Amino acid sequence: EIQLQESGPGLVKPSQSLSLTCSVTGYTITSGYDWSWIRKFPGNKMEWMGYISNSGSTNYNPSLKIRISITRDTSKNQFFLQLNSVTTEDTATYYCARWGRRYPHYWGQGVMVTVSS
Amino acid sequence: DIQMTQSPASLSASLGETISIECRASEDIYSNLAWYQQKSGKSPQLLIYAANRLQDGVPSRFSGSGSGTQYSLKISGMQPEDEGDYFCLQGSKFPRTFGGGTKLELK
Repeated sequence: EIQLQESGPGLVKPSQSLSLTCSVTGYTITSGYDWSWIRKFPGNKMEWMGYISNSGSTNYNPSLKIRISITRDTSKNQFFLQLNSVTTEDTATYYCARWGRRYPHYWGQGVMVTVSS
Repeated sequence: DIQMTQSPASLSASLGETISIECRASEDIYSNLAWYQQKSGKSPQLLIYAANRLQDGVPSRFSGSGSGTQYSLKISGMQPEDEGDYFCLQGSKFPRTFGGGTKLELK
């Protein structure tokens, strides 16, 4: 059974970078699908942030394009999120997900990240 | 970006009651819509995809309908385990966008 698990610091200071890891078990990230990051803000608004495909190409939400990077380590079956120059507006629960052609079918449990000094 | 307007924001239903949640897209999304349920502290679970296709393992009391810009999720007979947050997601264009969510509670 496929499982995704997010990890990373729960507190980040403003202007710094947010870095999260998604560890995948039960499926090899190079075998197929797109591997995404999604976040849920306080108040429940959700935002698709971007993905890295099984071939390594990326697609980002234009609203984040200058700040976001999604990379991967295929040897560890992990993919990563880096979001630069964070502000308090980036406080959210961050999820990684396996995205099918149009929709995510498998999600991680989510990790809450607070941006605060 | 395609804007997804979801209503209502919250809903309280009695046991056995039939309820509906709506999502309206700012442009035609050609039935490329999914519905998710999220319980507190858990990851979202896919209920419906392609507007009306029931995901494997999802109870048949859940159904989806709609086309063009208007879509709905129906629960035919509210159960205690149906409490949670529900949201829609359009899979028609990038960037993918979500509805604002509906909090469903048992009355």
